[in-house]
Amino acid sequence: EVQLVQSGPEVKKPGESLKISCEGSGYSFNNYWIAWVRQMPGKGLEWMGIIYPGDSDTRYSPSFQGQVTISADKSITTAYLQWGSLKASDTAIYYCARPRVSGNSYVAAFDIWGQGTMVTVSS
Amino acid sequence: EIVLTQSPATLSLSPGERATLSCRASQSVSNYLAWYQHKPGQAPRLLIFFASNRATGIPARFSGSGSGTDFTLTISSLEPEDFAFYYCQQRSNWPLTFGGGTKVEIK
Repeated sequence: EVQLVQSGPEVKKPGESLKISCEGSGYSFNNYWIAWVRQMPGKGLEWMGIIYPGDSDTRYSPSFQGQVTISADKSITTAYLQWGSLKASDTAIYYCARPRVSGNSYVAAFDIWGQGTMVTVSS
Repeated sequence: EIVLTQSPATLSLSPGERATLSCRASQSVSNYLAWYQHKPGQAPRLLIFFASNRATGIPARFSGSGSGTDFTLTISSLEPEDFAFYYCQQRSNWPLTFGGGTKVEIK
């Protein structure tokens, strides 16, 4: 079964660092982009960025460039989203997602999603 | 950045009624548009890709149309499980973007 399994909920204080994960299984991890999507409380979906594990090609939405870092470890088929210094406004659910088609020439629609990781940042 | 504007923000309908959701792009995205359904506490679910192709396992009551800048998601006859949020998303240009969403609620 193709699936993305995300790490568990996190409660952090402002200024702390955090790295959440998304483990892919049941498919060739290197050959599919992995995207990260944010949903703030009561708000819609926002595309944050994406990585192609095969060559580590990474793209960010301008809104998130410099605010987060996306990475991947091919050896353990896991993608990561990390913050160096969290803010209260980072409180959200974060989803990882995989497109329906492999390859790095374009990004297809996302048909496989992780279950989401709830991140709460509060003093 | 391509902005996707969805309307209406909220659609209040009864089961069995037809739902028509709109997504307008700030510039042409050709047919590189997808629709997702999202329910609280669940992961988003791909409904439509390439503007009009149903994803695997999606019931025939869901259909998509449009190209360029104007797109429509139609649910021909609402089932109780269809009351949810719906988002369009373009993959024509970086950065990928989502629309603001339409909530389909029970009237």
